[in-house]
Amino acid sequence: SYELTQPPSVSVSPGQTARITCSGDALPKQYAYWYQQKPGQAPVLVIYKDSERPSGIPERFSGSSSGTTVTLTISGVQAEDEADYYCQSADSSGTYPHVVFGGGTKLTVL
Amino acid sequence: QVQLVESGGGVVQPGGSLRLSCAASGFTFSSYGMHWVRQAPGKGLEWVAFIRYDGSNKYYADSVKGRFTISRDNSKNTLYLQMNSLRAEDTAVYYCAKNKGGNSFCGDYWGQGTLVTVSS
Repeated sequence: SYELTQPPSVSVSPGQTARITCSGDALPKQYAYWYQQKPGQAPVLVIYKDSERPSGIPERFSGSSSGTTVTLTISGVQAEDEADYYCQSADSSGTYPHVVFGGGTKLTVL
Repeated sequence: QVQLVESGGGVVQPGGSLRLSCAASGFTFSSYGMHWVRQAPGKGLEWVAFIRYDGSNKYYADSVKGRFTISRDNSKNTLYLQMNSLRAEDTAVYYCAKNKGGNSFCGDYWGQGTLVTVSS
């Protein structure tokens, strides 16, 4: 089955730039989406269609795509950005589409 | 504003059944597909099922296919998940999420979740 691979953890100091990657064979053909989840809360969509930012999401969140890897970039990281981040895409290789999530990356702000 | 409120979670024995509900408001429910996504304690997100805006197509994760049924009542702005033959590994917080629409296949608004515990 289709998988998305993320690093388990990323650490960055306040004000620095955090980059979280997500790799998957179908990413050149399927859009990627990114969610932020803080402890005890529901996920929040922060990037859709590889690089689009929903209204209300700070401009420091951006997304990019290159081949089989997509990247969530958080510029000028703030303490409030500490959270788990999940990439998501779709798998259309079977009889009908499935949603696939990466395993998640814990962002620690040092 | 968009609101999604899940209910129906609880403790159930292995092999039992449970029906979750998700009450939607703040948007035209009948115009959007809807997802169920779950998260086992301390684990990552796992997609469970999707239903198109009119209920015409339903998609399931392999782990729940044949045991879970997603449905909706557009007259009541409510999404459902009927869960049968429950297993310990189904223990999780279950979230409903509104599909963003257009050519996006993702959840742009999520409920706060309801906890399902499968245990004897």
